Amino acid sequence: GAGVSQSPSNKVTEKGKDVELRCDPISGHTALYWYRQSLGQGLEFLIYFQGNSAPDKSGLPSDRFSAERTGGSVSTLTIQRTQQEDSAVYLCASSLGATVAQYFGPGTRLTVL
Amino acid sequence: AQSVTQLGSHVSVSEGALVLLRCNYSSSVPPYLFWYVQYPNQGLQLLLKYTSAATLVKGINGFEAEFKKSETSFHLTKPSAHMSDAAEYFCAVSVGSGGGADGLTFGKGTHLIIQP
Repeated sequence: GAGVSQSPSNKVTEKGKDVELRCDPISGHTALYWYRQSLGQGLEFLIYFQGNSAPDKSGLPSDRFSAERTGGSVSTLTIQRTQQEDSAVYLCASSLGATVAQYFGPGTRLTVL
Repeated sequence: AQSVTQLGSHVSVSEGALVLLRCNYSSSVPPYLFWYVQYPNQGLQLLLKYTSAATLVKGINGFEAEFKKSETSFHLTKPSAHMSDAAEYFCAVSVGSGGGADGLTFGKGTHLIIQP
């Protein structure tokens, strides 16, 4: 069956621009997660959705980051006024529920010039 | 809060030799433990998971891991390494107390090198 998909696979943007990253979870998975992977910080958890609700947004690095999920399916991670330190691979994962295995997408590599 | 320590950022073994990747966790409540593998320019692939059932967990590609509560360890092993096993391996923990809101906490990863 189809796995988690993410788009775009690569995104190059200029400092100060806004970017939107998209995640399509596995069909039927109610839980959705965003992570960031960078050389300096490793894998960092950003935010979790159960259905359309994100109970805790404290993992987002700054108020320039926001995320939403609609219809219990697709999620978008938006970064406003991008900075060079935002350059990283953004990974999305989904699962049937909390505490069970998460399945990851291929990631979006973001480069901020 | 939970944490994960992976001993050895790089591990090199000969093809056909035993693979042992070490993972120790810290958690105040019974954890859920996972091993993921990442091939270059790809996402994370689940190798195996421990969710409080059998302490010896078998995964894909011949890998297995044993949960040892007394040692707070979840080391990954494979009896005979194959060239295709060369990749980055991540150990991760979830305590589930936040209903998933804490996400997974990952170790820093171990790069496995297979010598021909």
